[in-house]
Amino acid sequence: KAGVTQTPRYLIKTRGQQVTLSCSPISGHRSVSWYQQTPGQGLQFLFEYFSETQRNKGNFPGRFSGRQFSNSRSEMNVSTLELGDSALYLCASSFRGGDTEAFFGQGTRLTVV
Amino acid sequence: GENVEQHPSTLSVQEGDSAVIKCTYSDSASNYFPWYKQELGKRPQLIIDIRSNVGEKKDQRIAVTLNKTAKHFSLHITETQPEDSAVYFCAALGGADGLTFGKGTHLIIQP
Repeated sequence: KAGVTQTPRYLIKTRGQQVTLSCSPISGHRSVSWYQQTPGQGLQFLFEYFSETQRNKGNFPGRFSGRQFSNSRSEMNVSTLELGDSALYLCASSFRGGDTEAFFGQGTRLTVV
Repeated sequence: GENVEQHPSTLSVQEGDSAVIKCTYSDSASNYFPWYKQELGKRPQLIIDIRSNVGEKKDQRIAVTLNKTAKHFSLHITETQPEDSAVYFCAALGGADGLTFGKGTHLIIQP
């Protein structure tokens, strides 16, 4: 079965712009979580969506938002981009979240200049 | 919220030797502890996990131990091979924070 797909793979944006990243989960998975990965901070949890509802949220500013559609696909939006937002953004899908195995996508590499 | 500390940040071992990576967590309510392996340029992949009602779990050359009282868990890799070279992340699931990850251990297998 197809794995988790993230688009686009690479993005270059200018400070102040906004960006939308997309994540298509494994078929049948209803939970999608988003993470920011940077060399200094490792993997940091942004939020989790389950059945179109945000179930958990990490400690990120309100500029980071997301949503989930009825087909479980999820989007993440970052507004008013800052240089420090440059990172690899990973999404992970699982059957129901919690202690079920999470499968990661390849990530979207965002560079803010 | 949950806080996960992981040590060491870099670990170099001779091929064939064992490697141990340790993590501590802060939230006593955490009940699920997965380990992920991330090879260079690739996505993290689950290699083993343990739940709080179990003290140890093994899968071939990989084992994980959990000490709930001390709030720490460890990954053990025996008979290391070159393909074990990667960054390893521990994580803990607790409360409403989703999975909280450690900062990773870069494991280097020396030939």
